[in-house]
Amino acid sequence: AQSVAQPEDQVNVAEGNPLTVKCTYSVSGNPYLFWYVQYPNRGLQFLLKYITGDNLVKGSYGFEAEFNKSQTSFHLKKPSALVSDSALYFCAVRDGVNAGKSTFGDGTTLTVKP
Amino acid sequence: EAGVAQSPRYKIIEKRQSVAFWCNPISGHATLYWYQQILGQGPKLLIQFQNNGVVDDSQLPKDRFSAERLKGVDSTLKIQPAKLEDSAVYLCASSRRGGSYEQYFGPGTRLTVT
Repeated sequence: AQSVAQPEDQVNVAEGNPLTVKCTYSVSGNPYLFWYVQYPNRGLQFLLKYITGDNLVKGSYGFEAEFNKSQTSFHLKKPSALVSDSALYFCAVRDGVNAGKSTFGDGTTLTVKP
Repeated sequence: EAGVAQSPRYKIIEKRQSVAFWCNPISGHATLYWYQQILGQGPKLLIQFQNNGVVDDSQLPKDRFSAERLKGVDSTLKIQPAKLEDSAVYLCASSRRGGSYEQYFGPGTRLTVT
């Protein structure tokens, strides 16, 4: 069975500092990996994805993520955090074989302090 | 382009009552998903449709939950009878056909069972 782990419930960083939100996954076959963000009182929004190719993918709002096949990880990063980045972040994996069934992690709350 | 529409936004019912949720996906999206998101957890896939066929419903409690997607467009999710543990946000999402495509989420329906 496929699974996603987000080991940190909460990440706190100061504005202007780099941020990392961690994600590891387990899936049979080649994974499709996604990050979504949920701002307060708003729906889930797509940030970025890894399907194939370059291990470093860039997405919306200056976020990027690095796919590491040997460590089965897909960590979300941003070089310089903004207070407006404070939100709930979800990592998700889709199975490229079984009709793309989705599994989400339990989320990491990112708080960026001024 | 119009986003994923869901109704109602909020619903309060007593246990053992029935409830139905409606979802209209983004035009042209072949795949439709229903998720249950309990507070503090990530979205859990209940059922995935491709056009009007079911791709995955392995986590749908079929003794009380049912869903349909007639004509391959909008969809309804029903709970009958509801239990206290069904209190959650029910999310509908849609995507283009294939596991490599990101999902677009509706605003969700917050269900409270008393």
